[in-house]
Amino acid sequence: GQQVMQIPQYQHVQEGEDFTTYCNSSTTLSNIQWYKQRPGGHPVFLIQLVKSGEVKKQKRLTFQFGEAKKNSSLHITATQTTDVGTYFCAVPKRTDSWGKLQFGAGTQVVVTP
Amino acid sequence: DGGITQSPKYLFRKEGQNVTLSCEQNLNHDAMYWYRQDPGQGLRLIYYSQIVNDFQKGDIAEGYSVSREKKESFPLTVTSAQKNPTAFYLCASSSRTSGGYEQYFGPGTRLTVT
Repeated sequence: GQQVMQIPQYQHVQEGEDFTTYCNSSTTLSNIQWYKQRPGGHPVFLIQLVKSGEVKKQKRLTFQFGEAKKNSSLHITATQTTDVGTYFCAVPKRTDSWGKLQFGAGTQVVVTP
Repeated sequence: DGGITQSPKYLFRKEGQNVTLSCEQNLNHDAMYWYRQDPGQGLRLIYYSQIVNDFQKGDIAEGYSVSREKKESFPLTVTSAQKNPTAFYLCASSSRTSGGYEQYFGPGTRLTVT
C-alpha cells in the first residue's frame, strides 16, 4: 500500500536557527498538502503543492515539491517560538473517493529560546 | 463565523457505554471526515462521507458508527465494541476546489474512557 514517511520525527531547534523537515511517498503524487498542529490544538491547513518542482513561500516557511512528485520539504528560516507544533504532510489516498487524505506521522518541532 | 464545531471539548465515560461525538459545519462542504489521533501519532481515518445519506469506512472503522442525515452534521458514535476508545477525535470537512481538497478541522474532542 501507499506509504508516507516524515523525517525527522522530532526536531529540536534553537530560536533563530533554520531547519528542514521532509515528507517521502512510495508512489508518485498528484499533489501534497502541509498542515500545522499547535500543542493542544487541531491541524490547520498551510499549503498545497501541485506542480513538479514547485516552490511556495509563506513568510519564513518555504515548501517544495520534488521533481519526481514523490517527496516534499518544508524549510523554516530563523525559527521562532511561534513555530512550535507538529507539521504533517498529507497526500491523496489512492482510491476512487475524492478528498481522502493519508497523513504522515508528523514532525514535532520544539523551539528552545 | 464559518467553521466546524465539535462538542464537547472533553468527554469522560465509563467502559461499556456508547458515546456520541458531535460535529457541525456551516462551510457548505460536501465531504466530512472523522479522524482519531493518539498521543504523538498522526491522524487515522475512521469514517468519511462525501454526500448526505452516504458514508464509507476508513482505515479504523471497527467499533465506531456514523450517520449523515444532514449536510451540516456528521456525528460519530464510539461503541462499547471499540477496544481502546480513549483518544483525541477530530472532525474535518472539505469541498471540491480546483486542484485539491484541503481539509478544515474542528477543535476536537478528547475522550477518556475508564
